[in-house]
Amino acid sequence: AAGVIQSPRHLIKEKRETATLKCYPIPRHDTVYWYQQGPGQDPQFLISFYEKMQSDKGSIPDRFSAQQFSDYHSELNMSSLELGDSALYFCASSLVGPSSYNEQFFGPGTRLTVL
Amino acid sequence: GENVEQHPSTLSVQEGDSAVIKCTYSDSASNYFPWYKQELGKRPQLIIDIRSNVGEKKDQRIAVTLNKTAKHFSLHITETQPEDSAVYFCAATYDYKLSFGAGTTVTVRA
Repeated sequence: AAGVIQSPRHLIKEKRETATLKCYPIPRHDTVYWYQQGPGQDPQFLISFYEKMQSDKGSIPDRFSAQQFSDYHSELNMSSLELGDSALYFCASSLVGPSSYNEQFFGPGTRLTVL
Repeated sequence: GENVEQHPSTLSVQEGDSAVIKCTYSDSASNYFPWYKQELGKRPQLIIDIRSNVGEKKDQRIAVTLNKTAKHFSLHITETQPEDSAVYFCAATYDYKLSFGAGTTVTVRA
């Protein structure tokens, strides 16, 4: 079965640089979520999109932005990178609706290292 | 927003014994409670979930119980095996974004 795809899997950037992470949800899933997981921490919700519209926003810094495109893939754009942005970034997708259980399927993650 | 507390933070059990992890949540509107297993550097993987209209759910060696009145839910793993060693996260949601507990590192001793 198709899973959530994330690219790149690893990314190394310098401070103050920008980074773009991509997520391709499971086909026919209508909702995409972004989570940030620091070392030894639980995943923290950043932002979500339902049918290409932003549906919720969590602890996402103003330096970060995201969008979902017409083909349902999503991109997380991160600018003015800081050392503290080093983390695993997960994308998850789900099918939301009255008959769904909202099970979120996680991608393999992008490990971002800021030097 | 939702606040989820998870205990214990670490749990060491002998192979074959049971493991129990407990979580509490703050928002009575939460209606979906998944449990994820995460191995080092890998993605969280859903192992079992429960909705607020159900009190208990079982899948082979794994079971989850939910007490809506007390706002707590628990994960039970029976007959633990070395491959059960991982970090386990509980989560809660009412509006689809997941709020996670801090995680429990489970070590199964052979």
